[in-house]
Amino acid sequence: EAQVTQNPRYLITVTGKKLTVTCSQNMNHEYMSWYRQDPGLGLRQIYYSMNVEVTDKGDVPEGYKVSRKEKRNFPLILESPSPNQTSLYFCASRGWTEKNIQYFGAGTRLSVL
Amino acid sequence: GQQVMQIPQYQHVQEGEDFTTYCNSSTTLSNIQWYKQRPGGHPVFLIQLVKSGEVKKQKRLTFQFGEAKKNSSLHITATQTTDVGTYFCAGPAGFGNEKLTFGTGTRLTIIP
Repeated sequence: EAQVTQNPRYLITVTGKKLTVTCSQNMNHEYMSWYRQDPGLGLRQIYYSMNVEVTDKGDVPEGYKVSRKEKRNFPLILESPSPNQTSLYFCASRGWTEKNIQYFGAGTRLSVL
Repeated sequence: GQQVMQIPQYQHVQEGEDFTTYCNSSTTLSNIQWYKQRPGGHPVFLIQLVKSGEVKKQKRLTFQFGEAKKNSSLHITATQTTDVGTYFCAGPAGFGNEKLTFGTGTRLTIIP
C-alpha cells in the first residue's frame, strides 16, 4: 500500500530537548516536504527536498532542520524546541510524474512545554 | 511574499444545501490544487486546475480556475454528511511547484 509514514504520532516534550520526527515514503517519490498546521493559519511549508541531498527552505524554516540522505526518508529535527513550535506537523511526498499530487502522512501532534 | 486567502473561514449548512468556498491569490498562479482534510485526518488531494477559466467536476463537486489565474472556487451541490471537513486551496509560490502556499482553509460543517 502506498503511504507516507510519520513517527511518532503524538509527542510531548520540554523546551530545549532535541527531538526528531521521522517521515518515510514507499512510493519512490523524489519530492518530500514538511508542513506545520496551526488554527487560522492553514498549512505552512517548513522545508522541502527535491531529491537526495537537495533541501531548501519553505516559508517557516526557523528552528527546524532536515536531512535527505536516502530517497525514502526525510526527518524533521528540532534542535532546541520552544513552545511556539507546538503544532500539528505533516510530511508529504510527490512524484514528478503524478501531476503534482501530494500524499500526506497522518500527522504528528507536538506539544512543547 | 505570496498570500493565498480563502473565504469563508467557517461554513455551516443544512444537509442538502449547496456550499461554496473561494480562494484568492496575491499573485498569478501556474496552477491551483484543492485538498480536503477530514476532522482529525490529513489533507487529501482532490484536483489540480491548470488552464485559465478551467472548470472541472467530480460528482457533486465543481472546481473553477479564474480567467486571470488568481482565484478559484469549489462548489458542492446538495451537501452530504460525508462532505464534512476543511477544504484547502494551494498554489505554487514560484515558477515550479516546489514551494506550495496553502490557503487558510474553509471548515464545512453539516447540520443533519
